[in-house]
Amino acid sequence: AAGVIQSPRHLIKEKRETATLKCYPIPRHDTVYWYQQGPGQDPQFLISFYEKMQSDKGSIPDRFSAQQFSDYHSELNMSSLELGDSALYFCASSAQGRATEAFFGQGTRLTVV
Amino acid sequence: AQSVAQPEDQVNVAEGNPLTVKCTYSVSGNPYLFWYVQYPNRGLQFLLKYITGDNLVKGSYGFEAEFNKSQTSFHLKKPSALVSDSALYFCAVRDIKAAGNKLTFGGGTRVLVKP
Repeated sequence: AAGVIQSPRHLIKEKRETATLKCYPIPRHDTVYWYQQGPGQDPQFLISFYEKMQSDKGSIPDRFSAQQFSDYHSELNMSSLELGDSALYFCASSAQGRATEAFFGQGTRLTVV
Repeated sequence: AQSVAQPEDQVNVAEGNPLTVKCTYSVSGNPYLFWYVQYPNRGLQFLLKYITGDNLVKGSYGFEAEFNKSQTSFHLKKPSALVSDSALYFCAVRDIKAAGNKLTFGGGTRVLVKP
């Protein structure tokens, strides 16, 4: 079965650089979520989209932005990177409805040096 | 606001023994509850969910969880643990009445099953 695809899997950036993370949801899933997981931490909700519109916003820094495109893939854009942005970034997708579970991608490990 | 608490950072259990991972939640409305498992450097894998109906929910890999509304708990259980169950387990909640559809995760519980 198709899963959530994230790219790249690993990314190394320098401070103050920008990064773009991509997420391709499971086909026919209309909701995409982004989470940030620091070392030894639980996943922290950043933002979600439903039918290409932002549906919920969590602790996403102003330096970050995200969008969902017409083909339902999503991109997380991160600017002015800081050392503290180093983390695993997960994308998840779900079908319509609050009762549905979210399926997670493998994550992108971002290292800021 | 919705929140989840997992009171144990780590649970140690011998292989073949019962495994319980605790979770309590707080929502303003009624909850949808989920359990996920995470292996090192991997994404979260869905195990099971409670939406409505029977309080005992069965999921993947022999796991089950019991919803207790009066205690606002949703503990994960497995009758006989395997070494391969060693992983990080997350409980998550979604408030039925909240705006948006985010899942809020607990802090995670590391399970170590010893041979």
